[in-house]
Amino acid sequence: DVKVTQSSRYLVKRTGEKVFLECVQDMDHENMFWYRQDPGLGLRLIYFSYDVKMKEKGDIPEGYSVSREKKERFSLILESASTNQTSMYLCASSQMGRATYEQYFGPGTRLTVT
Amino acid sequence: KQEVTQIPAALSVPEGENLVLNCSFTDSAIYNLQWFRQDPGKGLTSLLLIQSSQREQTSGRLNASLDKSSGRSTLYIAASQPGDSATYLCAVAGGYNKLIFGAGTRLAVHP
Repeated sequence: DVKVTQSSRYLVKRTGEKVFLECVQDMDHENMFWYRQDPGLGLRLIYFSYDVKMKEKGDIPEGYSVSREKKERFSLILESASTNQTSMYLCASSQMGRATYEQYFGPGTRLTVT
Repeated sequence: KQEVTQIPAALSVPEGENLVLNCSFTDSAIYNLQWFRQDPGKGLTSLLLIQSSQREQTSGRLNASLDKSSGRSTLYIAASQPGDSATYLCAVAGGYNKLIFGAGTRLAVHP
């Protein structure tokens, strides 16, 4: 079974803190994604990566950065957390290729910024 | 810009009913369409993936169809059970398998 794990289920941080959300997948997938999910707005793509050290902005990258030093690990960084970044953060991975593949999601991290 | 719409937003049915969830998208240039299930406070579980060249996929009591030309997909759930209660999300894939999601249909199946 594909497994995508996220470092924390729940996280509470203060405004201005630097926050790291970690995601690890065990299926040697090339693609990895970070989404956030908010009531009324659904899931939106923040950043994705299609290879080690490669990253691309998604639809809402402002206030975030990412790091992918190893194939299995994709980190989302909030440089200076703000209250409007309180959300559910979901990581996903998939194989890459012309015939596209299922995305597998982690359990999510519910982040509260106070 | 691709937009994905799901109707209805919420549905409550008695156990045993067959039901249909609808998904529509504005740009037919998709690589695939994926249906997910999400339980409260949890991540997403993939249910079915339909490649752009396919018309339908089946898994157990679930059947998903895709009509790319009209920008529509349906998820059919046969003989619904209380354990089917969850939010169902439809997503279409563009380049690099980036997904654009609908807002979801919240399903409640009562005994």
